[in-house]
Amino acid sequence: EIVLTQSPGTLSLSPGERATLSCRASQTVSSSNLAWYQQKPGQAPRLLIYAASSRATGIPDRFSGSGSGTDFTLTIIRLEPEDCAVYYCQQYDNWWTFGQGTKVEIK
Amino acid sequence: QVHLVESGGGVVQPGGSLRLSCAASGFSFSGYGMHWVRQAPGKGLEWVAFIRYDGSNKQYAESVKGRFTISRDNSKNTLYFQMNSLRVEDTAVYYCAKKYSTYFHYWGQGTLVTVSS
Repeated sequence: EIVLTQSPGTLSLSPGERATLSCRASQTVSSSNLAWYQQKPGQAPRLLIYAASSRATGIPDRFSGSGSGTDFTLTIIRLEPEDCAVYYCQQYDNWWTFGQGTKVEIK
Repeated sequence: QVHLVESGGGVVQPGGSLRLSCAASGFSFSGYGMHWVRQAPGKGLEWVAFIRYDGSNKQYAESVKGRFTISRDNSKNTLYFQMNSLRVEDTAVYYCAKKYSTYFHYWGQGTLVTVSS
């Protein structure tokens, strides 16, 4: 089973700043099988990025994904208060697994 | 517009059973695989089960294999999750999610299952 480790655990930034979230896999992950989700407090998760770098429908271009192999990154530019959420990476390799999440706080 | 609505959650004693439902609308339900994903209170996401669009293939996480059963009724646009031999550690919000490639495309709002004596 591939283990995904996300860092940092919590990111505290001001509006307008740039957030960089990391997702590291214990084994190589196909980029086509790597996704990112956003979960706001009290809500269900929402698909943000799939295939490592493709934005899902309706996702603003402030969100971007990159990476390959074992290292993947979610970048959020021009942070807005509404971006306050927990972000999860997810992979598929016979099984579906999630990272433990990164909490983004807006100061 | 895709809409997934879970129901059937509640409080149950350890060793008990519960059946969750997920009513789907806004898409061709019979053409898509479906998942159950759970989230323990204050914790992260855990995939627990998948069923192919026609029900011919099912996969389970080791944590629930042999105790839980995923099924579907395409004539009713409904996904089910039969949970037997429930344990305290099964306490979580259970989400159904529509499959898209190897991702979880759309999610329901979740239903809370509490296993407690």
